Amino acid sequence: SQQGEEDPQALSIQEGENATMNCSYKTSINNLQWYRQNSGRGLVHLILIRSNEREKHSGRLRVTLDTSKKSSSLLITASRAADTASYFCATDKGNAGNMLTFGGGTRLMVKP
Amino acid sequence: SQTIHQWPATLVQPVGSPLSLECTVEGTSNPNLYWYRQAAGRGLQLLFYSVGIGQISSEVPQNLSASRPQDRQFILSSKKLLLSDSGFYLCAWNRGGSVSGRTRQTQYFGPGTRLLVL
Repeated sequence: SQQGEEDPQALSIQEGENATMNCSYKTSINNLQWYRQNSGRGLVHLILIRSNEREKHSGRLRVTLDTSKKSSSLLITASRAADTASYFCATDKGNAGNMLTFGGGTRLMVKP
Repeated sequence: SQTIHQWPATLVQPVGSPLSLECTVEGTSNPNLYWYRQAAGRGLQLLFYSVGIGQISSEVPQNLSASRPQDRQFILSSKKLLLSDSGFYLCAWNRGGSVSGRTRQTQYFGPGTRLLVL
């Protein structure tokens, strides 16, 4: 399977609940990034966590990284209907060209 | 500020016809540029990337090609489209350069082109 696999593939929650998405990868990385995509639109960068970091926060977002397990999680707290979107993790191996490898994404639906 | 444009937004083409999708970036110089394809409900597949004018690297063998005639222009082409070329095509850029840094590693995406080959 490809680098950066998200779990679950789809998640449906009520407004106000927390949403947790997980990402696993196979090879060593320079950093891991999370992106958001609204339906039919381009991706928007949310947060980047370096390989020597374990946790990052940005507003209602919390990202963790466990390089020993080659996994990351994205937590959205106090979700809102506007958080409905697909969320992708992307790994950067630090190679020339700054290429990212994206996972298949988690489709989050937040019901009002 | 930097902006990225893609056009057209939507395209319906018959099998066997040629393709040309264009992507331009404003407000930065010497960016890395990327073309991705996204099948419905799926993740992104990197097709091509470019670190400079005339420098194209292909990640997936296919009947598509890319060119970078100017610093901030990236074009995706095909001589003859296949049904399997249908999808959502996204162009992205980052700041490039040999010095790694957080801002250089973030990619910024255009609005995408939805291509339907019939």
